[in-house]
Amino acid sequence: AQKITQTQPGMFVQEKEAVTLDCTYDTSDQSYGLFWYKQPSSGEMIFLIYQGSYDEQNATEGRYSLNFQKARKSANLVISASQLGDSAMYFCAMRYIMNSGYSTLTFGKGTMLLVSP
Amino acid sequence: NAGVTQTPKFQVLKTGQSMTLQCAQDMNHEYMSWYRQDPGMGLRLIHYSVGAGITDQGEVPNGYNVSRSTTEDFPLRLLSAAPSQTSVYFCASSPPKGGSRLPEAFFGQGTRLTVV
Repeated sequence: AQKITQTQPGMFVQEKEAVTLDCTYDTSDQSYGLFWYKQPSSGEMIFLIYQGSYDEQNATEGRYSLNFQKARKSANLVISASQLGDSAMYFCAMRYIMNSGYSTLTFGKGTMLLVSP
Repeated sequence: NAGVTQTPKFQVLKTGQSMTLQCAQDMNHEYMSWYRQDPGMGLRLIHYSVGAGITDQGEVPNGYNVSRSTTEDFPLRLLSAAPSQTSVYFCASSPPKGGSRLPEAFFGQGTRLTVV
């Protein structure tokens, strides 16, 4: 079974500091994709960054980077130079192939990040 | 480009009532899905569709029906609402796997449903 674990229910960081949100996953598939989504208080799900299981380089998108350690099955999100607008819930998700042959996403329970001035 | 549009944004139902949550996308994506989000549970897949006329169950399908008559629309029907269905519902669409370097799911704004 596919599983995403986010062990940090909440994280606090000061503005302009870097923060790492943890994500570990469990899968027996060789091909999968890892995503991070941001959910602000307004409720929408915003795609941040993607890492394919065969990508050798860690993904980066602006201030977001994904620290992908395949052997440890971890896909931590690093946010550099935190901003007040980064305060939100963050979800790690994995795209995998179901028994039906079609792919879907499984999500972790999320980490609430609060950025203080 | 509207992306994924869900209606309504908020809804209150009485136990036993039925209703349909609407979802439409204008990106010509074949793959659409419905998730529910409960506190402390993350998002869980209810139903999904890989194209018009093709639907299948996800992790938590009980109490919900779906149909896909067009590529654009994927409504979710609650047959007889129960308090346990109080949740936030998200519709999402994705291009086919392998069809994009970034095959992420595009989410609607969500529907907050309360069943009393």
